[in-house]
Amino acid sequence: AQSVTQLDSHVSVSEGTPVLLRCNYSSSYSPSLFWYVQHPNKGLQLLLKYTSAATLVKGINGFEAEFKKSETSFHLTKPSAHMSDAAEYFCVVSGSGGSYIPTFGRGTSLIVHP
Amino acid sequence: SAVISQKPSRDICQRGTSLTIQCQVDSQVTMMFWYRQQPGQSLTLIATANQGSEATYESGFVIDKFPISRPNLTFSTLTVSNMSPEDSSIYLCSGIPWEGDQETQYFGPGTRLLVL
Repeated sequence: AQSVTQLDSHVSVSEGTPVLLRCNYSSSYSPSLFWYVQHPNKGLQLLLKYTSAATLVKGINGFEAEFKKSETSFHLTKPSAHMSDAAEYFCVVSGSGGSYIPTFGRGTSLIVHP
Repeated sequence: SAVISQKPSRDICQRGTSLTIQCQVDSQVTMMFWYRQQPGQSLTLIATANQGSEATYESGFVIDKFPISRPNLTFSTLTVSNMSPEDSSIYLCSGIPWEGDQETQYFGPGTRLLVL
């Protein structure tokens, strides 16, 4: 079985300050982990993915995430928030038990203040 | 990667009617999925669309209510039948490209459905 928990439903930051969106997962096997972003009235866009290569994964738009097996975490970070980063972010786990059916987190809404 | 389009992008329907949503991919995909997203919530998987065979439905979703077709490797449809206001939602399709890591999904922009 697999599950994913996004620890914050909302995160509020000021423009230019760091972003941290937290995600913990549970999986019986070595999982694949993803972060997707959804801007208002848009579909989901892949930000980055971890598939058992380097533990620090760099994605688009300056985002990166670090896979920490000991902490079962895959937190998403960005050094400096931009107004255009305001969106909904989803952490996703898949690959548990050979199944490609993904499990989505509940989402974290990132609010960026000017 | 894959570019996925959906038609219609949005619709307003009367209760008791049915709506068919189309999902077109610009390249062949192995698996295709249909999701529902209630406003402000996460995605819920409705079913996996299987090419040439019946779709695989998740718990709480049935074929009579959400019939799905997938006639080839680049196209699928989802029908929302006998609609009620509770079906108002965003419906998204996704696909896993044939040439890729076999896990990364690419999503369409969604179909925003309002049932009156």
